[in-house]
Amino acid sequence: EAQVTQNPRYLITVTGKKLTVTCSQNMNHEYMSWYRQDPGLGLRQIYYSMNVEVTDKGDVPEGYKVSRKEKRNFPLILESPSPNQTSLYFCASSLLALGTGAYEQYFGPGTRLTVT
Amino acid sequence: DQQVKQNSPSLSVQEGRISILNCDYTNSMFDYFLWYKKYPAEGPTFLISISSIKDKNEDGRFTVFLNKSAKHLSLHIVPSQPGDSAVYFCAANGGTSGSRLTFGEGTQLTVNP
Repeated sequence: EAQVTQNPRYLITVTGKKLTVTCSQNMNHEYMSWYRQDPGLGLRQIYYSMNVEVTDKGDVPEGYKVSRKEKRNFPLILESPSPNQTSLYFCASSLLALGTGAYEQYFGPGTRLTVT
Repeated sequence: DQQVKQNSPSLSVQEGRISILNCDYTNSMFDYFLWYKKYPAEGPTFLISISSIKDKNEDGRFTVFLNKSAKHLSLHIVPSQPGDSAVYFCAANGGTSGSRLTFGEGTQLTVNP
């Protein structure tokens, strides 16, 4: 079954304690992305990757890091989480569009993060 | 700078009637638009898309209309069903953004039986 998986689904942590949210896809997609969803703000892109070892900042990258060492995995790292990073996080993947248009993105089930 | 805006946070309709969800954009470089649907505790799922070379795209009960001059698109659901109750996100792509999507804030649709 084609899918994007994220772990953990729920996480409560304290300020400053480093954490990693994993993301994996089994569709051989080149493009992967992280979003956060906050009330009234919709889905905002944090980081994205167009292929292995190619990553770039999205709209709200501050306080986050990513890596893309393998095509299937795209972990999101919070080196020193703060309460304003409390949010619902989604990982997504798609084929890479090289011209006009975009391929549909497949989303993971989400990770609910609370930073106290 | 919200380049994609969904001005209605919520919409409530009766089962069997038409649901119309609206989306406005400001970036004239956007040339491809998508709608996603999201149920609670799940990730968004793709619903329907439209390219800027078209003004309408239809898929079963779902139709998306694009008005490029007004920088406006809408999603029509006819007839609406209780299972359509979800958050709907409008997304746009274009210019040099490659595969990047810019999302709106979302509209919570409630279809009442």
